[in-house]
Amino acid sequence: GQNIDQPTEMTATEGAIVQINCTYQTSGFNGLFWYQQHAGEAPTFLSYNVLDGLEEKGRFSSFLSRSKGYSYLLLKELQMKDSASYLCAVSSPFSGGYNKLIFGAGTRLAVHP
Amino acid sequence: DVKVTQSSRYLVKRTGEKVFLECVQDMDHENMFWYRQDPGLGLRLIYFSYDVKMKEKGDIPEGYSVSREKKERFSLILESASTNQTSMYLCASTPGTDYYEQYFGPGTRLTVT
Repeated sequence: GQNIDQPTEMTATEGAIVQINCTYQTSGFNGLFWYQQHAGEAPTFLSYNVLDGLEEKGRFSSFLSRSKGYSYLLLKELQMKDSASYLCAVSSPFSGGYNKLIFGAGTRLAVHP
Repeated sequence: DVKVTQSSRYLVKRTGEKVFLECVQDMDHENMFWYRQDPGLGLRLIYFSYDVKMKEKGDIPEGYSVSREKKERFSLILESASTNQTSMYLCASTPGTDYYEQYFGPGTRLTVT
């Protein structure tokens, strides 16, 4: 089966660092995406990992270990505007040679002053 | 900037009605997708289209159909709306394969009474 697990909720303090974990079991793997979704808004792209290791982009970093089926999103210097849901999604082969995204249920992050 | 628009932000329909949800993208993207998003379940793929007049079923196509007569427009049709189709519906597009990030529309919150 296809399964992506991430924590339902997390809280953190402004200025701190938070790590959101994602574990996956899929029938194929063509990369892992992280999206940010503010309440009532569309998901927006944060990062893409296809090879093992850490990808850094400003305050946000994403790590992938394909052998462990594990990724994390690291948010540094947290700001109030980082309060949002964070969606982990795996690109997996689908019918007709296409790929589809399989999403986790999302992690709702609340940043407090 | 890529722009994906959806015809309505909020929609209320009665059980048994035929419902049309429209999605338009302005970046000449090949692939378009329809998802529904429910609490605790994440985004689930309903249908996708990789070319005009082409469509593929996603994970939960039952009760839905789609139409793509023009490259920029992808419509989701609920033939006979039911209360279990109350949900947030998100449209997305991507240039080619799923190695590219998906660009999401703002979503349509559909309530079926």
